[in-house]
Amino acid sequence: DAGVTQSPTHLIKTRGQHVTLRCSPISGHKSVSWYQQVLGQGPQFIFQYYEKEERGRGNFPDRFSARQFPNYSSELNVNALLLGDSALYLCASSLTWALQETQYFGPGTRLLVL
Amino acid sequence: QQQVKQSPQSLIVQKGGISIINCAYENTAFDYFPWYQQFPGKGPALLIAIRPDVSEKKEGRFTISFNKSAKQFSLHIMDSQPGDSATYFCAASMVGNQFYFGTGTSLTVIP
Repeated sequence: DAGVTQSPTHLIKTRGQHVTLRCSPISGHKSVSWYQQVLGQGPQFIFQYYEKEERGRGNFPDRFSARQFPNYSSELNVNALLLGDSALYLCASSLTWALQETQYFGPGTRLLVL
Repeated sequence: QQQVKQSPQSLIVQKGGISIINCAYENTAFDYFPWYQQFPGKGPALLIAIRPDVSEKKEGRFTISFNKSAKQFSLHIMDSQPGDSATYFCAASMVGNQFYFGTGTSLTVIP
């Protein structure tokens, strides 16, 4: 079985641009969570989606948004990029909405904002 | 404010030795404490997790020790191997809520 997949693997943008990151969960998983991992830090929770509805939001500005599609894949959108948005963006999937259930992480998308 | 504090930042251990990583938390509402292992270029992978109703959990060479009164928990890796070289993150959460991760410990096991 394929694990969590994310695309693209790497991305370079300039300040002020917009970016869309994509995630496909493990087959059968209905929950997707997004995390930002700045170099040298632990992952920080951005969003959780379950059954296409937002179930949780971390302390991130409104420039960050996400959605989940009927096939449970998900997109993370970031508008008006800042240099500080440079990070590894991780997607994690799990069977249900219970975040304490085992989350399976994808390899991440590394975003560099110049 | 860092919800979960992790130490040390880096650790070098001889093959066969014991690796110990410590974490402390403040929020007594946390009730789930997982440890994740992350290799370069990969996402974190769940290693072992514990709930506060037990003081210790062991899975193979990996053991979590939990001290509820001190609000501390630690990961012990017995018989450390070069293949264990990775970054380890502790985390904490409460039911229906997000995970708070520590800042990570880079473990190097030298042959």
